[in-house]
Amino acid sequence: GAGVSQSPRYKVAKRGQDVALRCDPISGHVSLFWYQQALGQGPEFLTYFQNEAQLDKSGLPSDRFFAERPEGSVSTLKIQRTQQEDSAVYLCASSSRTAGLVNTEAFFGQGTRLTVV
Amino acid sequence: QQPVQSPQAVILREGEDAVINCSSSKALYSVHWYRQKHGEAPVFLMILLKGGEQKGHEKISASFNEKKQQSSLYLTASQLSYSGTYFCGTPGGGGYQKVTFGTGTKLQVIP
Repeated sequence: GAGVSQSPRYKVAKRGQDVALRCDPISGHVSLFWYQQALGQGPEFLTYFQNEAQLDKSGLPSDRFFAERPEGSVSTLKIQRTQQEDSAVYLCASSSRTAGLVNTEAFFGQGTRLTVV
Repeated sequence: QQPVQSPQAVILREGEDAVINCSSSKALYSVHWYRQKHGEAPVFLMILLKGGEQKGHEKISASFNEKKQQSSLYLTASQLSYSGTYFCGTPGGGGYQKVTFGTGTKLQVIP
């Protein structure tokens, strides 16, 4: 597609439920990022992939969060045993350069709004 | 450490100018600027690099003061389409650089 696509756009989960959020980056983009955005806040880094390699997962808030990109294209962010504090918009971004966001723009998807009830 | 932006919010009439500031407590190698409209994805505006190089797609100017660890975004002759929340982003040092986004500035342009 022309842009970064995320699905679902909205997800309501009961506390304790597992969820999986999908990101389809722009074709050919090497770098892929996941960000978490709380209401009224800026995006906060979660994890970074270069192709299929997860090079940085320092932003994942707990071991309940897991991300993968097995074939270097589509990525999935999984959250196990969701809690209310996980409620946020989860943004995916991709860029064409291997050096992350050093000097190139990132293209963001519209995000998945997760509400844990 | 998250960059601090000022002002937090501003309302402009169409045609007026605005300046959005971004301050970091760490040394800056480059500064990214994004705009996000409500319910939409952040959209790239520009990157400012050490040495003065700018990379951007829109007719919006910005400055980058490495010594003061600050950047400012200049919006001139604002249009209704400029409304949104503006975020600066500061990469860390080294090879791979993850971007830390600022606190955000909500801009509303009214007719």
